[in-house]
Amino acid sequence: DAGITQSPRHKVTETGTPVTLRCHQTENHRYMYWYRQDPGHGLRLIHYSYGVKDTDKGEVSDGYSVSRSKTEDFLLTLESATSSQTSVYFCAISEVIPIGTVNTEAFFGQGTRLTVV
Amino acid sequence: AQSVTQLDSQVPVFEEAPVELRCNYSSSVSVYLFWYVQYPNQGLQLLLKYLSGSTLVKGINGFEAEFNKSQTSFHLRKPSVHISDTAEYFCAVSGIDNAGNMLTFGGGTRLMVKP
Repeated sequence: DAGITQSPRHKVTETGTPVTLRCHQTENHRYMYWYRQDPGHGLRLIHYSYGVKDTDKGEVSDGYSVSRSKTEDFLLTLESATSSQTSVYFCAISEVIPIGTVNTEAFFGQGTRLTVV
Repeated sequence: AQSVTQLDSQVPVFEEAPVELRCNYSSSVSVYLFWYVQYPNQGLQLLLKYLSGSTLVKGINGFEAEFNKSQTSFHLRKPSVHISDTAEYFCAVSGIDNAGNMLTFGGGTRLMVKP
């Protein structure tokens, strides 16, 4: 299994509080991603990173920020949690994919279940 | 940009019966295609992928999928399912011009295998 650790695995927080989720990898992959999983929507990309201090927005980035100060760590922050952010959050990693290579695969962490009450 | 539609949210099937999980996609560029499986309370595991070459792709656990470019489909099949195949299955695409392998997922299909 790819070395991806998400913490915490479960969290309950109150509306309006800040929350930070951590993704740690031991694979030295350049790309890291945060997805959220909601019933009927599959997984949707929140933010991603293509290197240290290099990040960009995904499909559902409103209300979230990220930081990557080291290759191995990618943090997702909810500045002021809302009930709509109750979800399961997955971190994923992948390596640089030149066009035409066969080594295209993203590896996923075990997920963090976040409940905002 | 890409989008993925999984036509069935739930598929009930009896053990040892064949199954097909349907996936259609749209994209303005050529794509790579993937099927992932998620067992309860776990992350996603790659079942199989289509990058190029033969349109019939074989994956783990006896699953296979066929890429049909004209119908923009990538349906997943298994000739005989087991109880242990009960899980949620996700179809995903990535544009080949996407250096980072960002995935766009379908909504998922829950496969329920009954004894």
